[in-house]
Amino acid sequence: SQQGEEDPQALSIQEGENATMNCSYKTSINNLQWYRQNSGRGLVHLILIRSNEREKHSGRLRVTLDTSKKSSSLLITASRAADTASYFCATDKEEAGTALIFGKGTTLSVSS
Amino acid sequence: NAGVTQTPKFQVLKTGQSMTLQCAQDMNHEYMSWYRQDPGMGLRLIHYSVGAGITDQGEVPNGYNVSRSTTEDFPLRLLSAAPSQTSVYFCASRDRATYNEQFFGPGTRLTVL
Repeated sequence: SQQGEEDPQALSIQEGENATMNCSYKTSINNLQWYRQNSGRGLVHLILIRSNEREKHSGRLRVTLDTSKKSSSLLITASRAADTASYFCATDKEEAGTALIFGKGTTLSVSS
Repeated sequence: NAGVTQTPKFQVLKTGQSMTLQCAQDMNHEYMSWYRQDPGMGLRLIHYSVGAGITDQGEVPNGYNVSRSTTEDFPLRLLSAAPSQTSVYFCASRDRATYNEQFFGPGTRLTVL
């Protein structure tokens, strides 16, 4: 079964609003990563947060990690139409030599 | 650098046919993975490799084989295609260190009739 589960499955907002999506996972991790996928394209890495970090920022992105609850959130501030995409969390298990496991994703639609 | 390349971009097969999806990377990454993406299912891990000569199964390995004879290449073989294997396939690679981002290829869209 998949490690991560994003919530909500779909999110529709207006330009300028903030978008928050959540990810829950099952096992202990080394780090958690967020990726973005535009329609019909491959995935692009957005941000990585390590298990000993609680919050990280990158431009308009803010990621939090709560290892006690096994959950993470991605906040996109001041959304733009160009942010319309699917967003996936991916977890890196604690033991070495494993592959990233992805959740089912959140589809974000930003209308102007 | 070309990054992660995949061929072909599109493929149509008939049930029972076999084929190989090609994946190559020029970043000298030791970790490589294959995923399939189906509507509403996110990305599911098929097989992965942590170095030349080493492969392991992911979440959905049945019906697929892989080999890793070189660091650069990681082909995915469909042994006897089935309609359930209709999907978009992504190859990805990353550095050996476990804390790095993963780079994805553009994908192969496969239809099995």
